[in-house]
Amino acid sequence: GAVVSQHPSRVICKSGTSVKIECRSLDFQATTMFWYRQFPKQSLMLMATSNEGSKATYEQGVEKDKFLINHASLTLSTLTVTSAHPEDSSFYICSAGGARGLFGEQFFGPGTRLTVL
Amino acid sequence: AQKITQTQPGMFVQEKEAVTLDCTYDTSDPSYGLFWYKQPSSGEMIFLIYQGSYDQQNATEGRYSLNFQKARKSANLVISASQLGDSAMYFCAMREGVDSSYKLIFGSGTRLLVRP
Repeated sequence: GAVVSQHPSRVICKSGTSVKIECRSLDFQATTMFWYRQFPKQSLMLMATSNEGSKATYEQGVEKDKFLINHASLTLSTLTVTSAHPEDSSFYICSAGGARGLFGEQFFGPGTRLTVL
Repeated sequence: AQKITQTQPGMFVQEKEAVTLDCTYDTSDPSYGLFWYKQPSSGEMIFLIYQGSYDQQNATEGRYSLNFQKARKSANLVISASQLGDSAMYFCAMREGVDSSYKLIFGSGTRLLVRP
């Protein structure tokens, strides 16, 4: 099956610093990548959709200047949390869409747990 | 209005028995897809089963089957012969559109606990 990786899997940072999370499709080209945020005991909330080579489309209520998304190639998308604060602590998950899915399903990365002190 | 509704925050089932997890959806798009994902405590999202809006038959995948009632806009997941490893969060999701470039909308999830 298609594999999506995320790096790092876990990060702890101080308030005010920026954190970059990478999402890679390892064995297929992902024309579209999605970024989700999941707070404890809650569902996945879509933050933004990114297409290779174009600007990301952010969901309502998501600050585009705070959560910078870059989809520079068909295998890599990055999410940068700028000037992180404790309320940004969450589980961030990416997913990738491509031609490999039999049902047009997205393939999810393993997630990145961000803790801001 | 909620597009995907899962009304059961938590469910218990005895090992080896069957369990049904409920999901209702709301869309005016004639082309949509319904997905079920399992999320164990590790956090990874595991794809279980898919039902397309035009599919005539209910989807099945091993011990998983989807009870698709289009007129009622429901897509319940049935897990047969429950195993201890089935204990996890289960999310229903809908895609309005025909391929993986369209976003998924997730329900609030159901936590399933399988008792030995």
